Amino acid sequence: DIQMTQSPSTLSASVGDRVTITCRASQSVSIDLAWYQQKPGKAPKLLIYKTSSLESGVPSRFTGSGSGTEFTLTISSLQPDDFATYYCQQYYSYPYTFGQGTKLEIK
Amino acid sequence: QLRLQESGPGLVKPSETLSLTCTVSGGSTSTTSYYWGWIRQPPGKGLEWIGTVYYSGSTFYNPSLKSRVTISVDTSTNQFSLKLNSVTAADTALYYCARSGYTFGYIDYWGQGALVTVSS
Repeated sequence: DIQMTQSPSTLSASVGDRVTITCRASQSVSIDLAWYQQKPGKAPKLLIYKTSSLESGVPSRFTGSGSGTEFTLTISSLQPDDFATYYCQQYYSYPYTFGQGTKLEIK
Repeated sequence: QLRLQESGPGLVKPSETLSLTCTVSGGSTSTTSYYWGWIRQPPGKGLEWIGTVYYSGSTFYNPSLKSRVTISVDTSTNQFSLKLNSVTAADTALYYCARSGYTFGYIDYWGQGALVTVSS
């Protein structure tokens, strides 16, 4: 299985901050990497697929980059609605695997 | 608008079989374009991919669960299902049904989730 490791596990930030979450794969996943946002009591929501493609309706302040084994999700200017938990997922090979999550908290 | 809805018992006894069904509305499980699958999330923890099924019945499972899992699809009722046998407390989780693509593996639609507790 491909292991996905996110850092940090928790991130404290303020509205307006620029934040970056990193996701590392134990082996190359090419660009087959997605990011999800999950709020308490809700299902995850797709934000980005194929490393950098923005899902329809997702604000442009979310950007993804990377390839191979290292990927980042950047939020350019945090909004109150962005405080949530974020997960990366590789879909390069079965079994698909997720990172352990990064909880973005209000500072 | 596609909608996925999980249903099934919320409480299962240890050693018994967990059974959930996902009903698809606003779309068809008989499409060649998508896979239908299950993901779970233990309380307060991260996401674990369980497996997926194609309209033809072809499946892929997580090896960590493969010996206990069966995912099947019924295109006549537009539903797909999950069976997990010999459950223990470690299988207590929120179970999500979901859709991913035939040519892509990310999940573009999720159900709201069904909490299943394993307890005597």
